[in-house]
Amino acid sequence: QVQLVQSGAEVKKPGSSVKVSCTASGDTFSRFTIAWVRQAPGQGLEWMGRIVPIFNSTNYAQKFQGRVTITADRSTSTAYMELSSLRSEDTALYFCARGAGTPYYFDSWGQGALITVSS
Amino acid sequence: DIQLTQSPSSLSASVGDRVTITCRASQSISSYLNWYQQKPGRAPKLLINAASSLHSGVPSRFTGSGSGTDFTLTISSLQPEDFATYFCQQSYNIPWTFGQGTKVDIK
Repeated sequence: QVQLVQSGAEVKKPGSSVKVSCTASGDTFSRFTIAWVRQAPGQGLEWMGRIVPIFNSTNYAQKFQGRVTITADRSTSTAYMELSSLRSEDTALYFCARGAGTPYYFDSWGQGALITVSS
Repeated sequence: DIQLTQSPSSLSASVGDRVTITCRASQSISSYLNWYQQKPGRAPKLLINAASSLHSGVPSRFTGSGSGTDFTLTISSLQPEDFATYFCQQSYNIPWTFGQGTKVDIK
């Protein structure tokens, strides 16, 4: 089973950017997909996008197109999610998750990184 | 985008009760439907994948069924550790989407 460890909580100013990391261990990083899911306080789960590290291919939810960039460094088994032009509505817990299986399911999750956007 | 609608949004139940949660998709998604359990401040946990396949280590009191547009998660005998929020999620089409969640609390 893969373990995913995320970077810590951050407080950001409106208009700035944040970059969250997700480091995998326990399985071959390149073999699977990494998705990013966020959860605003008291709200549901929202899929933001994903990367397939072995192909370096990405897909993003339309809502975040142009503001989110997901990358992966295979040498360190780390995926990154960068969100720009932050606003207060981006305050949320950001999770990475491994997408595995056919059809895909998320069987391992990071612990979450709380990003607070406040002036 | 495929919309997933869960019902009910919340329910109150007692230990030992049988609980059923439904998830309806806005279009057919075959069996590309997963169920997760989430407790406050924690990451979701996979319960069921491909509509009815119990994930490794998940108690057998959890069962999933359905295909096409209508799906069900059943907990046969609710245990104290099952009080949580449950989400369905489709992986038929990108963007992968989640239902709005069903909160199960103590009656």
